[in-house]
Amino acid sequence: QVQLVQSGAEVKKPGASVKVSCQASRDTFSNYYIHWVRQAPGPGLEWMGLISPSVGSTSYAQKLEGRLSMTRDTSTNTVYMELSSLRSEDTAVYYCARRRDSDNPFDIWGQGTMVTVSS
Amino acid sequence: DIQMTQSPSTLSASVGDRVTITCRASHSISRWLAWYQQKPGKAPKLLIYKASSLESGVPSRFSGSGSGTEFTLTISSLQPDDLATYYCQQYTSFSTFGQGTKVEIK
Repeated sequence: QVQLVQSGAEVKKPGASVKVSCQASRDTFSNYYIHWVRQAPGPGLEWMGLISPSVGSTSYAQKLEGRLSMTRDTSTNTVYMELSSLRSEDTAVYYCARRRDSDNPFDIWGQGTMVTVSS
Repeated sequence: DIQMTQSPSTLSASVGDRVTITCRASHSISRWLAWYQQKPGKAPKLLIYKASSLESGVPSRFSGSGSGTEFTLTISSLQPDDLATYYCQQYTSFSTFGQGTKVEIK
């Protein structure tokens, strides 16, 4: 079964950084883009950015530029999303999702990682 | 940026009812529109892509239509398992989601 497996919940203080992982199959890692989407408490989904795991290229939402970094580890088929200078407004569930190309939507999602920012 | 606006934000219907959700894009997105279903505590699940194509394994009571800036998701006969929040997504320019429509069962 195709799946994306994310790391566990995190609790961070304001100003700290958080790094969330998303492990994929070799096929997904080689042939898909991995996007990150977050959901603050309540309805609503916010697109954060994407990484091409095979190449390492990234693109980020303008709102998060400067605080967001996406990387990958080719030896473990894992991508990472790191958000720095955390604020209370960053409290959310963070999802990774795969997308084959610009002609296709997100067909498989990770289970989500809850990140709580609190002093 | 392309903005997506869904309506209604909440709807309540009875089992067996026909339900329609509308999504409007601030600019034309051709047919690059997807619909997702999200149940409480779960990740979104893809239902419809390219405005009207049904994802494999999704019940045929779900259908999508539209192009350009106006789109609809229809559930032909609402079932108890359809209790969820539904999101539209444009994917012509990176990605933007609508604010969601919560479907409640009367």
